[in-house]
Amino acid sequence: GAVVSQHPSWVICKSGTSVKIECRSLDFQATTMFWYRQFPKQSLMLMATSNEGSKATYEQGVEKDKFLINHASLTLSTLTVTSAHPEDSSFYICSAAPGAGYTFGSGTRLTVV
Amino acid sequence: GENVEQHPSTLSVQEGDSAVIKCTYSDSASNYFPWYKQELGKRPQLIIDIRSNVGEKKDQRIAVTLNKTAKHFSLHITETQPEDSAVYFCAASMPNTGNQFYFGTGTSLTVIP
Repeated sequence: GAVVSQHPSWVICKSGTSVKIECRSLDFQATTMFWYRQFPKQSLMLMATSNEGSKATYEQGVEKDKFLINHASLTLSTLTVTSAHPEDSSFYICSAAPGAGYTFGSGTRLTVV
Repeated sequence: GENVEQHPSTLSVQEGDSAVIKCTYSDSASNYFPWYKQELGKRPQLIIDIRSNVGEKKDQRIAVTLNKTAKHFSLHITETQPEDSAVYFCAASMPNTGNQFYFGTGTSLTVIP
């Protein structure tokens, strides 16, 4: 079945630094990648939608200059959290389309200290 | 965009009893409704889904019902077991959006042995 590999699974960074999260579709071409954020005990909130080769579409309230999304190939999308602050600490998870089975990555736990 | 509401937020049942989780959605264009089970720190796992041309779907102890007119859908778990304890999310998706889901707020289910 369709698999999305997400790395890293967890990361701790200092406030003010940037962190890159990668999602790779391993056995299919992901024309679209969705990025979600999940705070503790809360639901998954869609942050942005990226289509291969074009600019990402951000949901209302999500800062595009802070959360940089790149989808340069059909198998790789990246989310870079720039100038991270403690309030950016969260669980970030990607989802790829078209992936049979509605394919989520394994998630990245980001902690900003 | 779509707005999905989910109730209850927490649910405790005795082992062997049934559990019911309900969701409503706002956009009548939504046509796909998956249910996810998420254990702490892990990716959501699809457990059952239903499309708008079907009113009910069952898979062993799990069933989902959909009322398009009322715009609500429900998850039914029968003969609950302790391993059913997790957070459950409903979601809604519209045509031609791939895996762009709008998630409910989640239900923390505890099955008491």
